[in-house]
Amino acid sequence: GDSVTQMEGPVTLSEEAFLTINCTYTATGYPSLFWYVQYPGEGLQLLLKATKADDKGSNKGFEATYRKETTSFHLEKGSVQVSDSAVYFCALSDVNSGYALNFGKGTSLLVTP
Amino acid sequence: KAGVTQTPRYLIKTRGQQVTLSCSPISGHRSVSWYQQTPGQGLQFLFEYFSETQRNKGNFPGRFSGRQFSNSRSEMNVSTLELGDSALYLCASSFYYKQGTFSYNEQFFGPGTRLTVL
Repeated sequence: GDSVTQMEGPVTLSEEAFLTINCTYTATGYPSLFWYVQYPGEGLQLLLKATKADDKGSNKGFEATYRKETTSFHLEKGSVQVSDSAVYFCALSDVNSGYALNFGKGTSLLVTP
Repeated sequence: KAGVTQTPRYLIKTRGQQVTLSCSPISGHRSVSWYQQTPGQGLQFLFEYFSETQRNKGNFPGRFSGRQFSNSRSEMNVSTLELGDSALYLCASSFYYKQGTFSYNEQFFGPGTRLTVL
């Protein structure tokens, strides 16, 4: 079945550092890919999405490109801020699974001043 | 547009009891999905309701059930609570987009209900 693997955290970075969180997936069909963010005590917020190969999703300085050849959707940000400290989840949905979101385990990010 | 709302935000129950959680989707969204989040298992899909019918189901025991009303509001019920049911329960409402052979679904999450089973 479909699955998502993302790098384990926690990831600790200094403010203004470059961020990469790796995410790879396996899927039988042509999934849509998502990054969600969860701040402490809150639900999930959609950060960005991509629906087909080579699409680049972007939002709030974060970017991720849907790479079908490497089955990857890595999250990047050029300069992180303390306010980016949160848990980041990579996810996929596919018509074959009725669009249920299949999440990675999450990566905790801590940005220090 | 108002977002997804979930009530209550926090619940404390004891083993053996049952609990009902409520979710109101974004206006116009007809699909509601439920997810369980625990530190050990992460985020897992419970079920999805669309137009008052369960359309998709995850791999959870029958103690977990749900329903959807004509106004798209949804409830989930857990009977005979176990300690392992302690979790954050997240509701998501969604819309579907279809054009030709391309289809797409985007889910918007509520803040969750934190259930503690003692």
